[in-house]
Amino acid sequence: NAGVMQNPRHLVRRRGQEARLRCSPMKGHSHVYWYRQLPEEGLKFMVYLQKENIIDESGMPKERFSAEFPKEGPSILRIQQVVRGDSAAYFCASSGPLAGKDFGPGTRLLVL
Amino acid sequence: AQSVTQLGSHVSVSEGALVLLRCNYSSSVPPYLFWYVQYPNQGLQLLLKYTTGATLVKGINGFEAEFKKSETSFHLTKPSAHMSDAAEYFCAVSEMDRDDKIIFGKGTRLHILP
Repeated sequence: NAGVMQNPRHLVRRRGQEARLRCSPMKGHSHVYWYRQLPEEGLKFMVYLQKENIIDESGMPKERFSAEFPKEGPSILRIQQVVRGDSAAYFCASSGPLAGKDFGPGTRLLVL
Repeated sequence: AQSVTQLGSHVSVSEGALVLLRCNYSSSVPPYLFWYVQYPNQGLQLLLKYTTGATLVKGINGFEAEFKKSETSFHLTKPSAHMSDAAEYFCAVSEMDRDDKIIFGKGTRLHILP
């Protein structure tokens, strides 16, 4: 049973470009969470999604960031017009109705 | 509101020595408490978690943690460090039945000295 999959593992963007980060939850998991880890910081909650629904986006920056979890396909975290401060590791986690969270390996975004 | 404080961003111990990573939490409601480990360039792996019941929780790789409500602490220990334990460790807290939103500490990087 494959774990949580994230791609790409590393992403380099120039300022002003868009970044798309993908997360495929574990098989049977219908809840997806996105976290951001800044250098020398712990993980900070961004958004919690179920299929086609955003349940809690209280940790998402108000502008440029969006997330979706469509009926088919992976969850997408989208960052428009990236800035240097967006450079971080972005982790996705998934959970099912009973289990705790499983984390993916993360996408490391570098904005030049 | 909940928060987690990990004392020491870096801890060094000799191979074979006791590992003690400190974590204090703040929560206005009964908490769930977690320890995660992160190896370089990897995601977080759950070491152990406390929900209810026995306050001494045993996890993987020989780690354990004790929930002390009076001290609002959840320190992580391992009797004998191994080189493979070198990693970053995160303490985390959530509200009971609300582990959808886990609050993480800033992490402690554990170094093992030969």
